Formats: sequence, structure tokens, C-alpha cells
Amino acid sequence: DSGVTQTPKHLITATGQRVTLRCSPRSGDLSVYWYQQSLDQGLQFLIQYYNGEERAKGNILERFSAQQFPDLHSELNLSSLELGDSALYFCASSTTGGNLYNEQFFGPGTRLTVL
Amino acid sequence: AQSVTQPDIHITVSEGASLELRCNYSYGATPYLFWYVQSPGQGLQLLLKYFSGDTLVQGIKGFEAEFKRSQSSFNLRKPSVHWSDAAEYFCAVGESTGGFKTIFGAGTRLFVKA
Repeated sequence: DSGVTQTPKHLITATGQRVTLRCSPRSGDLSVYWYQQSLDQGLQFLIQYYNGEERAKGNILERFSAQQFPDLHSELNLSSLELGDSALYFCASSTTGGNLYNEQFFGPGTRLTVL
Repeated sequence: AQSVTQPDIHITVSEGASLELRCNYSYGATPYLFWYVQSPGQGLQLLLKYFSGDTLVQGIKGFEAEFKRSQSSFNLRKPSVHWSDAAEYFCAVGESTGGFKTIFGAGTRLFVKA
């Protein structure tokens, strides 16, 4: 158990809908990272937040957005869902969030299925 | 742009045999390099990392990796594989950009036969 929690574990929805994935980082960690793992694209970095502020951005679609709240939990919002958005979405957390690397601890993921 | 190539989609080894998983990267400067393992239905776990210094790095679970700048490689090795090592292995390169981005390879699935 990494200490990172993600809810829900599974989510099934329809095309065109909007969903919210939630991540609670390890106690004391200030950075949250979101990743998408799909058969087509593999494992891709989406976005990083540090203490409420966006710090790094990867291949995140405009239909997707994220935020980190004052209690440090994070939400990834996916809208206008398409079949291709079906994937496993991971959250990871680390102690700090600047240029220096800190080990990232991964949650168990949320499996999203878009029908 | 940075990229990571894992040329082997899957590898099968016998239990007790040695293992080498290949990884090649493309990066302009000295990279941050990682190997992660993902067991079925699980998140990723860091096996080891390289930033600088000794090019042979030791990790958890008996794994090691060697950084070879001339070959742009960071291959993962284990002298004797256990059945519990069956999993998917990801090589990754990290980039500092004001935050930290990690670019993953496509992964190599390891099968272990008795």
C-alpha cells in the first residue's frame, strides 16, 4: 500500500458524459501527478500540481482539467468523453514539486470505461 | 523531444535464469532514468533510479541497471529470476520543467516459466 488513494476504483459511463476522478496523496506530500494508461497510448504523464498550483503539463487534452484543493487532494475532470478515453488513470504523489526529483508513489488507479 | 524505447514487448525466462530488459532513451542532457514495475491490477512501484555518479545502480528486489551514455541505454538486470517477478516493467526518463515530467517506454511484460 503506497498510501495514495484513488476513488472510484471503477467507473463506467457513456460517450459525451463528464466524470471526476479523485486522488488523496500520502500524508505530507504536496505534489500530485496524474497519468493515463491505455492500450493505444501506453503510460502518459498528464499533469502535475504542487501545493495547489499547476507545475508541469504533459499530453493532457483540452477536455480534461485538474485541480488541487487546499487539503491537497486532487481531482481530474474528464468531459465530453469519447470511447478512446477508456483507460486506467493513475495518481501519484511526492513530497516536493520543484525541479528536483522526489520519488513518486502511485495509487492503485481508476479504471474508466466509456461505452 | 525525449523518448524511451523498450524494444521487447514481452520476454519469457525460466525461473532461476538471468534477466536483462533493454531500454534506450533519447534526451539532450544527462537524464533522470527510472525503472518501474507494475504487477497485474496494481499501480507502479519504483525499482531504481539514476541521476548521476556510479553508472551501475542497485534497486529493490535484487534488480540493478547500468547507464551507458555512449549507447543511450539503461538496461535492467537480475541474476536469478523468481516467479514473483512476473510483471510489466517500464523504463522512464524524467525531465525538470519547473515541475517534473516523466516519459515512459511502452513496457516489457515478463513471463516466468517454472
